[in-house]
Amino acid sequence: KQEVTQIPAALSVPEGENLVLNCSFTDSAIYNLQWFRQDPGKGLTSLLLIQSSQREQTSGRLNASLDKSSGRSTLYIAASQPGDSATYLCAVRRNNAGNMLTFGGGTRLMVKP
Amino acid sequence: EAQVTQNPRYLITVTGKKLTVTCSQNMNHEYMSWYRQDPGLGLRQIYYSMNVEVTDKGDVPEGYKVSRKEKRNFPLILESPSPNQTSLYFCASSFKGYGYTFGSGTRLTVV
Repeated sequence: KQEVTQIPAALSVPEGENLVLNCSFTDSAIYNLQWFRQDPGKGLTSLLLIQSSQREQTSGRLNASLDKSSGRSTLYIAASQPGDSATYLCAVRRNNAGNMLTFGGGTRLMVKP
Repeated sequence: EAQVTQNPRYLITVTGKKLTVTCSQNMNHEYMSWYRQDPGLGLRQIYYSMNVEVTDKGDVPEGYKVSRKEKRNFPLILESPSPNQTSLYFCASSFKGYGYTFGSGTRLTVV
């Protein structure tokens, strides 16, 4: 059974810092991995999608990397801003899991002005 | 605008009173699914559908029903809601698994 872990569970940083969020998964037979952002009480907003054949994806200040063999992905946020404060979730879709996504528990990020 | 629309956004109901949460997407996606989110348990899949008339159970299907009669709609049905189904529910859609778009959520309270 696929298990997805995100470390740390919570993170507080001053504005302007570069930071890294970690996601690890136990089964490397994945189809793709997706990073989401969730604001309190709100829905999930897709940030980046990495297919299993890719190593990284970039969007603005965000960069996500994928190392399938080691079962790890990282989300790098450059020059953090207070508006980046949210919970960040990674989700893995396994090769043989049809429509099944397995989510990590999330990292709750607070960026202080 | 490409989106997944859920209704209602908030719902308070009593134990045993049947309810339906609607989900509609305008992106012609084949894949649709329902998740619930609970503190400490994260997001867990309830049911999913890979096309019209094709549905299957996720991790926590007990107490729920779904149907997929049209490509754009995927309602979640609680025939006899119980307090342990109090949760935040999300519908999502995807083009064959190439990334997922989520709705804004439905916060359900069963008293």
